[in-house]
Amino acid sequence: GESVGLHLPTLSVQEGDNSIINCAYSNSASDYFIWYKQESGKGPQFIIDIRSNMDKRQGQRVTVLLNKTVKHLSLQIAATQPGDSAVYFCAEISGNMLTFGGGTRLMVKP
Amino acid sequence: NAGVTQTPKFQVLKTGQSMTLQCAQDMNHNSMYWYRQDPGMGLRLIYYSASEGTTDKGEVPNGYNVSRLNKREFSLRLESAAPSQTSVYFCASSVLSSGANVLTFGAGSRLTVL
Repeated sequence: GESVGLHLPTLSVQEGDNSIINCAYSNSASDYFIWYKQESGKGPQFIIDIRSNMDKRQGQRVTVLLNKTVKHLSLQIAATQPGDSAVYFCAEISGNMLTFGGGTRLMVKP
Repeated sequence: NAGVTQTPKFQVLKTGQSMTLQCAQDMNHNSMYWYRQDPGMGLRLIYYSASEGTTDKGEVPNGYNVSRLNKREFSLRLESAAPSQTSVYFCASSVLSSGANVLTFGAGSRLTVL
C-alpha cells in the first residue's frame, strides 16, 4: 500500500551546522505534508507544513522542500542547536487521513 | 490552556486485564485520534473520530474500542490486554486549518502488558 518513509534513521550534526532530514513518500495524491518534532517523553509537536502545490516553505530556522517529481520531502534546520535534538517525523495527508513515516533521530553534538 | 490531556501516563497490566485510556482536549476541536507508537517506529492510527458522535477504524484497530463521549473526550479501551499491545499511546485532536489537518498531541500514555 501507500506509505511514507525516511532515508536515515539517525543523523548526528555539530552544533551550529545545518541539518537536513529526508523523507520519501509514495502517495502522489497526498494534499499536504507535515513535519513533526518529538522530544523524549513528549508527544509530537508540529513544526511546519507544505501544500502539494508548493515546492518550498520557510519558517523560523526551518525550511521544507517538496520535490513531487521524485516524491521527496526534506526538512532543513539552520544553525542547529542542542534543543533541536529530537526525533523528526514526516507525515502526509490524503483527504482527512494523516500517515506518519518512521522517524529520524537528530543528535546535536556540542 | 492545557491542550490535550491523557490519563494515565503509565500503566502496567497483566494479560487479559482491561483498561481505558482517557483523553480530553480543551481547544474545541472537532476531530480526535488515538495512535500507538512502538520503539523505533512512527505513529500508527488506531481509531479516530472525525466529529462528535462518529468513530472510524484506523490502521490497527484490532483489540481496541473507542468512545467519543462528547466533543471534549475520546477514550480508548482495551478489553483483554495482550503483550502485543505494549506501546506508547498518543491521543491527538485537530481542526482543519486551511485544508491542512494539523494534529495537536497529548504527552502520551506508556502501557506495559505482562
